[in-house]
Amino acid sequence: DAKTTQPPSMDCAEGRAANLPCNHSTISGNEYVYWYRQIHSQGPQYIIHGLKNNETNEMASLIITEDRKSSTLILPHATLRDTAVYYCIVRVTDDKIIFGKGTRLHILP
Amino acid sequence: EAQVTQNPRYLITVTGKKLTVTCSQNMNHEYMSWYRQDPGLGLRQIYYSMNVEVTDKGDVPEGYKVSRKEKRNFPLILESPSPNQTSLYFCASSRGLGNEQFFGPGTRLTVL
Repeated sequence: DAKTTQPPSMDCAEGRAANLPCNHSTISGNEYVYWYRQIHSQGPQYIIHGLKNNETNEMASLIITEDRKSSTLILPHATLRDTAVYYCIVRVTDDKIIFGKGTRLHILP
Repeated sequence: EAQVTQNPRYLITVTGKKLTVTCSQNMNHEYMSWYRQDPGLGLRQIYYSMNVEVTDKGDVPEGYKVSRKEKRNFPLILESPSPNQTSLYFCASSRGLGNEQFFGPGTRLTVL
């Protein structure tokens, strides 16, 4: 089972910051947090990952709480092209990678 | 261009007719994986491979086979397809288990 909890859907106004939460209360000390997104039925696309410290790249920022039990993906200036399903992944059990059901983000014009 | 390719992209077949979906990556990645995606169920891992000749079952391996004879290729084999294998299939690769995964464009399979 996926070890993450995400809201099934969220709305965000175009041009505003989109903040997508993820709970991972059972995360282990050496498990990273990964975020992917899937636009329509295309292959998922990697966004960002982190362990303890906050991370930022050209696509997004990742804020991980100090206790590492939750994180937030931030898209600083959402556009219509950011409409997608966003997956938060923390569980890598054995050699498997387990996706949850993700958050469907709607960017509103 | 670094990429993962899958063929065919679309396939309609009939129950029991063996088929193979090919997956190839040009990034010299060690880890490769197959997923299926169904409405309401998200992405579920079918099989994965840590390296050449090393494969293992994911969460939903029943009815599927894979092989990893070369590093770049990881075909998915359905020996006797059934309608419940109608799905959208994705192949992915990465340098290692904990690295960024690159996904192929998907193969939409319909089994009648």
